[in-house]
Amino acid sequence: GIQVEQSPPDLILQEGANSTLRCNFSDSVNNLQWFHQNPWGQLINLFYIPSGTKQNGRLSATTVATERYSLLYISSSQTTDSGVYFCAVTDSSYKLIFGSGTRLLVRP
Amino acid sequence: EAGVVQSPRYKIIEKKQPVAFWCNPISGHNTLYWYLQNLGQGPELLIRYENEEAVDDSQLPKDRFSAERLKGVDSTLKIQPAELGDSAVYLCASSFSEPDTQYFGPGTRLTVL
Repeated sequence: GIQVEQSPPDLILQEGANSTLRCNFSDSVNNLQWFHQNPWGQLINLFYIPSGTKQNGRLSATTVATERYSLLYISSSQTTDSGVYFCAVTDSSYKLIFGSGTRLLVRP
Repeated sequence: EAGVVQSPRYKIIEKKQPVAFWCNPISGHNTLYWYLQNLGQGPELLIRYENEEAVDDSQLPKDRFSAERLKGVDSTLKIQPAELGDSAVYLCASSFSEPDTQYFGPGTRLTVL
């Protein structure tokens, strides 16, 4: 099956800093989603991005499907950005496969 | 628009006891999913429904787990009997169709003692 690898596994930022999270996947995918899991466990959709670039406020994402990777950019980080960021891809049978996540801590 | 609703939010049971989780998807969403999330890992699919039909249950441990979505709306996931290793968060998600964006509920955190 498709393998999804995320890096870095852990990240500590000072409030106001920028960061880039990476997601690599091992095969062609039907789509790709980025999620934020807050400290209370709620998974929140950030982007549905099978290809191209999207922006939403301080967050943006780019997926290069031909090279099998996606990047999530967080600018001017805030303490509320803390949590786990998951990349998930849909395989040919429409099964959503998650990476192991990047655990982000933003310090005030 | 209401999101995916799950109950209970927390459940503590002793091993060998039965337990059930309930999920109500976003209105109009035909596809419903149950996921298992172990600590420190990403969610893993247990079962996917298209309306009333379970179209992918290959990851569901059928000796002790069962699920139903009788009217194509809400769904119940059951474990009988529960084992210590079943302690995890059980997440429900829904989407309008495949491969549309999936929206997740808050999850049920199960602790088996």
